This record gives sequence, C-alpha cells and structure tokens, in this order.
Amino acid sequence: DVVMTQSPLSLPVTLGQPASISCRSSQSLVDRDGNTYLHWFHQRPGQSPRRLIYKVSNRDSGVPDRFSGSGSGTDFTLKISRVEAEDVGVYYCMQVTHWPLTFGGGTKVEIK
Amino acid sequence: EVHLLESGGALVQPGGSLRLSCAASGFTFSTSYMTWVRQAPGKGLEWVSSITSSGSTAYADSVKGRFTISRDNSKNTVDLLMNTLRADDTALYYCTKGHWGDDWGQGTLVTVSA
Repeated sequence: DVVMTQSPLSLPVTLGQPASISCRSSQSLVDRDGNTYLHWFHQRPGQSPRRLIYKVSNRDSGVPDRFSGSGSGTDFTLKISRVEAEDVGVYYCMQVTHWPLTFGGGTKVEIK
Repeated sequence: EVHLLESGGALVQPGGSLRLSCAASGFTFSTSYMTWVRQAPGKGLEWVSSITSSGSTAYADSVKGRFTISRDNSKNTVDLLMNTLRADDTALYYCTKGHWGDDWGQGTLVTVSA
C-alpha cells in the first residue's frame, strides 16, 4: 500500500501569515496515463471533509485563490498564502493513483 | 447541487451486522463511482470501499471479506453491508461521490460495542 506521510502534525499560524503543509508518498503517484492523482481536503471541526485541490494543483470550484497545491512524484505541498480564521481545521492529502486509496494522517491548523 | 444522505448507522454488538445506505441526488448517479470513507472518533480518514458505475468493487484489507458494497442505479443508492463487526469498525461512515472525494455526505455513525 502507498503510505502518505504529512508534516507537520500540528501547525499554529498567525492570521494573515502563510502556511505550508507537506505530503510525501512512499512511491510515485504518477499514473500510467501521465497524471498524478493527489488531492487535498479540508475538514473543519464538526464538519465533513471538503476537497480543495485535485490532481496536485487544480483548485475546486469556490476555493479561494489563497490555496495552492504543488509538487510531483512523491513530494507535494499545500500552501495558504494568508491564513484566515475559517482555514482552521485538519488538512488531508489523498492519493488515488494506486489501489487501495490512501490518506495522509492529517495536519491540524490552528490560530496562534 | 450534489446531495448525499447516509443512513443506517447504529449501536451494534461485536459480531453483528449493519447495512448503511446512501441516497444520492444532483448528478448522474449511474455513471459515477461511489465510495465509502470512515473516520474513527478523533482519528483521520480511512478509505473503506468503492464501486464503479458498472458494479466492480474494491475494498480495504481491513474490511475485505466482511463488508459488501452495492448500488442500485434505479434508486440512486449505494449500500454498505457490514458483517462480523468489530470494535475497531466504530466510526463515522461517509458516502462520497466518485473515488476522488468530489462531494461528501454528513456521515452516519456506527458504534460497535457490547
């Protein structure tokens, strides 16, 4: 199985400051079709997860442009350019290149 | 607008069975993968099972042989039949559209305890 490792586990951030979350996979997420199926999700406290980014760097509809995704192969990053109060919660990466599908362990973002 | 409504969660004894159901609307269900993802209390997300539009299935090793996913394209529903339940199956079970986590329901809580 592909192991997804996120860091840090916890990320205290100051409002208006940038934040960055890392996600590393135990094997390449490049599919035979050339695409990389790495997605990012945000889960606010008490809510269902919501996808933010699909295929590494594509923002979902309605996602603010302060969120961006990047990376390739086995190394991926989610960046928030300026953290807002509504960005608190847990962020997960997920790979769907290989079966079984696997998630990272999550990164909890909180305001300092 | 996509809408996913899970039901069927309950308190069940170890070794028992439960059937979860997800009613979908707002998209072309018959051509969509559907997936179940669970979240144990205070823990992260775990993929459980997916079913393709044609009915092919996939399962996490932790549930293989105990859980069965199925779909009814005439009713726009996807079910998860869970047998031989264990304490570590206790979780909030989410139904999701596709296998990319496109959209999520609110979840239904399964508690396995004596």
